[in-house]
Amino acid sequence: EVQLVESGGGWVQSGGSLRLSCAASGLSFSSYWMSWVRQVPGKGLEWVANINRDGSEKYYVDSVKGRFTMSRDNAKSSVWLQMNSLRAEDTAVYYCARVIQGGGGMDVWGQGTTVTVSS
Amino acid sequence: QSALTQPASVSGSPGQSITISCTGSSSDIGSYNLVSWYQQHPGKAPKLIIYEVSKWPSGVSNRFSGSKSGNTASLTISGLQAEDEADYYCCSHGVSSTFVFGGGTKLTVL
Repeated sequence: EVQLVESGGGWVQSGGSLRLSCAASGLSFSSYWMSWVRQVPGKGLEWVANINRDGSEKYYVDSVKGRFTMSRDNAKSSVWLQMNSLRAEDTAVYYCARVIQGGGGMDVWGQGTTVTVSS
Repeated sequence: QSALTQPASVSGSPGQSITISCTGSSSDIGSYNLVSWYQQHPGKAPKLIIYEVSKWPSGVSNRFSGSKSGNTASLTISGLQAEDEADYYCCSHGVSSTFVFGGGTKLTVL
């Protein structure tokens, strides 16, 4: 069964750091771009970051540029989101997702991990 | 990276059809046939129901259909069922390998 499992969420003070992890199983991990998407409780989805198949290209939403870094290790079938200089507005459930080849959507999602930033 | 525009809510009775619109710009929806739609029930992760404007992932009902005209995409759900009550989000590929989501639409089945 294709599965993504996130971990690493928690409570952190404003200005602090967290590293989220996403472990993949049952899929050809190295063949796909991966994304992080977040959702403030009670609000909509927001795309956060993308990484290409070999990790050489990374793209971010403007609000996290310079603070968040996405990375991957195909040998470990994992992606990470290093989040620094966290702000209260980064409080959300963070999902990792597999991007369909060609970029037409995200077809596999994890269950999400919750990040709470206290000011 | 402005969010796509969706109606906040729509409603319909069982058996009816409803359509949710998603308006973007020439930088996203208008430039790419890479629009996707997601269904999200409370407390659950989003589920892909339409990709590349009008294609169905395996296992998704063909009661869901997608289309696009210019800078606007649409999701139609026919034969509404109680289990369709959920939040629906559109998403488009954007410039420089980014994605942009809509604000979400709450579907109520009356």
